[in-house]
Amino acid sequence: GENVEQHPSTLSVQEGDSAVIKCTYSDSASNYFPWYKQELGKGPQLIIDIRSNVGEKKDQRIAVTLNKTAKHFSLHITETQPEDSAVYFCAASKVRGYQKVTFGTGTKLQVIP
Amino acid sequence: EPEVTQTPSHQVTQMGQEVILRCVPISNHLYFYWYRQILGQKVEFLVSFYNNEISEKSEIFDDQFSVERPDGSNFTLKIRSTKLEDSAMYFCASCLPGLAGVLSYEQYFGPGTRLTVT
Repeated sequence: GENVEQHPSTLSVQEGDSAVIKCTYSDSASNYFPWYKQELGKGPQLIIDIRSNVGEKKDQRIAVTLNKTAKHFSLHITETQPEDSAVYFCAASKVRGYQKVTFGTGTKLQVIP
Repeated sequence: EPEVTQTPSHQVTQMGQEVILRCVPISNHLYFYWYRQILGQKVEFLVSFYNNEISEKSEIFDDQFSVERPDGSNFTLKIRSTKLEDSAMYFCASCLPGLAGVLSYEQYFGPGTRLTVT
């Protein structure tokens, strides 16, 4: 089955700096890659996603890149703010049949004011 | 904005007891899921449900687990005889496939039920 690895496990950045989280996946059939933000005591919330026919997607301060050949995808957050502090999960899925989402191990991001 | 709700927020039970975790998915969604997250670990898939039947389940989802959509709004996860290792946060999620050519794969997650087995 699919295996998603995520690095780093913790990340501290100064407010205003950029944060980058990297993931790899194992199943070449995966074609949908969502990123979730989980705040304390809450469920994962989708912040951005990318499909395998796209190499990059941007939404304001958040961008994701996908390298299908290398099976790598990354989340970039620019101009970080304290409210960006949370646990971020990358994930992979095969959308045909709306199959399960396989989560990465999570990155705890701390933005220091 | 519509959201997935889950009850209770925290459930404490003794080993060997049955528990039922309840979820109300977003009303027009068609796919339903249960995931769990053991403290400090990643979110793990348990089961997906569509058209009143299980469409996929993980190795975790053994005979002690069952799901049901008893009416048009609720989606439940039952654990027949809880074990200590069932202690985790359980998340329900739902998904609406896109309509009219607009595809959406987003799974909307509820806030979770923390299950503590003593």
